[in-house]
Amino acid sequence: DTGVSQDPRHKITKRGQNVTFRCDPISEHNRLYWYRQTLGQGPEFLTYFQNEAQLEKSRLLSDRFSAERPKGSFSTLEIQRTEQGDSAMYLCASSSDRDETQYFGPGTRLLVL
Amino acid sequence: SQQGEEDPQALSIQEGENATMNCSYKTSINNLQWYRQNSGRGLVHLILIRSNEREKHSGRLRVTLDTSKKSSSLLITASRAADTASYFCARGHNTNAGKSTFGDGTTLTVKP
Repeated sequence: DTGVSQDPRHKITKRGQNVTFRCDPISEHNRLYWYRQTLGQGPEFLTYFQNEAQLEKSRLLSDRFSAERPKGSFSTLEIQRTEQGDSAMYLCASSSDRDETQYFGPGTRLLVL
Repeated sequence: SQQGEEDPQALSIQEGENATMNCSYKTSINNLQWYRQNSGRGLVHLILIRSNEREKHSGRLRVTLDTSKKSSSLLITASRAADTASYFCARGHNTNAGKSTFGDGTTLTVKP
């Protein structure tokens, strides 16, 4: 499968715990994006990388959120001290410079109890 | 809403009919992408239209873009029950090549 993959697909955690999600983009794509989606709404932009450089972060990304893409390939999104309001679907997408089409992964559904 | 709206919020039609969904935006764009999302699943890319294009086709899908009105439409012809899903437009920003802004989508129900 050469699409975008995300792991885990589902995560249940208790409030206050830290969680980390992983995204593996399409191999030749140098751009990687993170979005968050809650029920009944469209995806909200969180951050994006061009290669290993994080070029933009949304104001939605509080200090408890951090994203990395150390080698310009896979990326991780960490949420520290989770809150119930963090419950959402976290979506990753990737694209190339030549084609701005963003291809999405299946998402990680987070539930904070 | 995030800097734009999809209209209508919900649409219910019979199989075989055409479905039209609209997307409006407020700031300049360099492209606009349409996606489909089945309940609880990831987004599937349908069509990307650039700001210098007016119309694109893909199978039963037709997308138009009117930059003077800051609006786009997605037409699905001869709809099928399998087209039942939420449809989103994502606006690619002029000032930031990486960022796309989504609306809250149109929920399409196609009745067999």
